[in-house]
Amino acid sequence: RKEVEQDPGPFNVPEGATVAFNCTYSNSASQSFFWYRQDCRKEPKLLMSVYSSGNEDGRFTAQLNRASQYISLLIRDSKLSDSATYLCVFLDSNYQLIWGAGTKLIIKP
Amino acid sequence: DTEVTQTPKHLVMGMTNKKSLKCEQHMGHRAMYWYKQKAKKPPELMFVYSYEKLSINESVPSRFSPECPNSSLLNLHLHALQPEDSALYLCASSQVFRDRLNYGYTFGSGTRLTVV
Repeated sequence: RKEVEQDPGPFNVPEGATVAFNCTYSNSASQSFFWYRQDCRKEPKLLMSVYSSGNEDGRFTAQLNRASQYISLLIRDSKLSDSATYLCVFLDSNYQLIWGAGTKLIIKP
Repeated sequence: DTEVTQTPKHLVMGMTNKKSLKCEQHMGHRAMYWYKQKAKKPPELMFVYSYEKLSINESVPSRFSPECPNSSLLNLHLHALQPEDSALYLCASSQVFRDRLNYGYTFGSGTRLTVV
């Protein structure tokens, strides 16, 4: 089983819709979780950290479910500019970032 | 200044060339990283420097040689590369390495390297 698994997509979503991604991880000792966003041919950028209690930043909501070992990202009122690849990342017990392969999101007008 | 600056943005080099990639940050971060990213794949860790000392070398071939002259600069020296080394090379920094209160990494925009 891969350490981090994500649906590669692409998710084709109409503008204004709500979309959600999940990401499962196998290492129960994982301490910190993040969502990164990467535009085509650009560097990854930290979108948000994921806290145990769940957290929200504008249209974006991240949640952590330790019992089922997954994190989620919800995007409300999606914009064309949200089109990107969303990478699930966690910090392992050696404090190294473990990356998912990413989920590609395409927002259509 | 919340940026990591990488130069050059693009580099084409022959297999016998020697070149260097440069990375600079002025955020006071004490951990710096080199990653390699192939198309449609996540970044792969190459090297970690913590307080200017090499902490991790992920079994990277010796044709890649990292250097950390000071806390703000990180170089990657390239020699005798192969075409399969063509990729996006990303530099990143974080406040410290092996810190449980990890606030995420800041990435530079990368150097797109083509080996011919």
